[in-house]
Amino acid sequence: EVQLVESGGGLVQPGGSLRLSCAASGFTFSSYAMHWVRQAPGKGLEYVSAISSNGGSTYYANSVKGRFTISRDNSKNTLYLQMGSLRAEDMAVYYCAREAVGANGADYWGQGTLVTVSS
Amino acid sequence: DIQLTQSPSFLSASVGDRVTITCRASQGISSYLAWYQQKPGKAPKLLIYAASTLQSGVPSRFSGSGSGTEFTLTISSLQPEDFATYYCQQLNSYPPTFGQGTKLEIK
Repeated sequence: EVQLVESGGGLVQPGGSLRLSCAASGFTFSSYAMHWVRQAPGKGLEYVSAISSNGGSTYYANSVKGRFTISRDNSKNTLYLQMGSLRAEDMAVYYCAREAVGANGADYWGQGTLVTVSS
Repeated sequence: DIQLTQSPSFLSASVGDRVTITCRASQGISSYLAWYQQKPGKAPKLLIYAASTLQSGVPSRFSGSGSGTEFTLTISSLQPEDFATYYCQQLNSYPPTFGQGTKLEIK
């Protein structure tokens, strides 16, 4: 069974940093591109970042470029999102998701982890 | 960035109704469109990809159509478990943007 389990969310002050993790199981992690998508409270889905299966290619939304870094450790079946210079507008539930074969959307999602940015 | 506009944003319907949600792209995206369902407090669930291909395990009352700039998601006969928020996502180019969502409520 495919499982994605996020962790690392919590309360952080504006300007602070946080690292999210997404532990994958039930599939060959190293064969799939992975994504981070966030959802602010009561709002819609916002694309954040993506990384290719081997980690060689990454993408960032303009809203997080230069502040967030996506990475993966295929030996540990884990995806990461290092977040820095956090702002109030970064407060959201962060989901990791597996890219479906053929880049046909995201076919498996984690349960999400909440990041709260507040002083 | 490609903008996706869903209509309506809110939809009130009854069990057994046929409903259609539209997603319009700001530029042509061929058939690179996916639809998701999200229930409160849960992660999104992939329903349809490539505009019209049903994801494995999704009931056949869900269908998708369209290409280019206009797409539709249709639920042929609403069931109680279908009341949720629906999002489209374009996969033609980065960033793979989402529509603003359509909340489907029970009438």
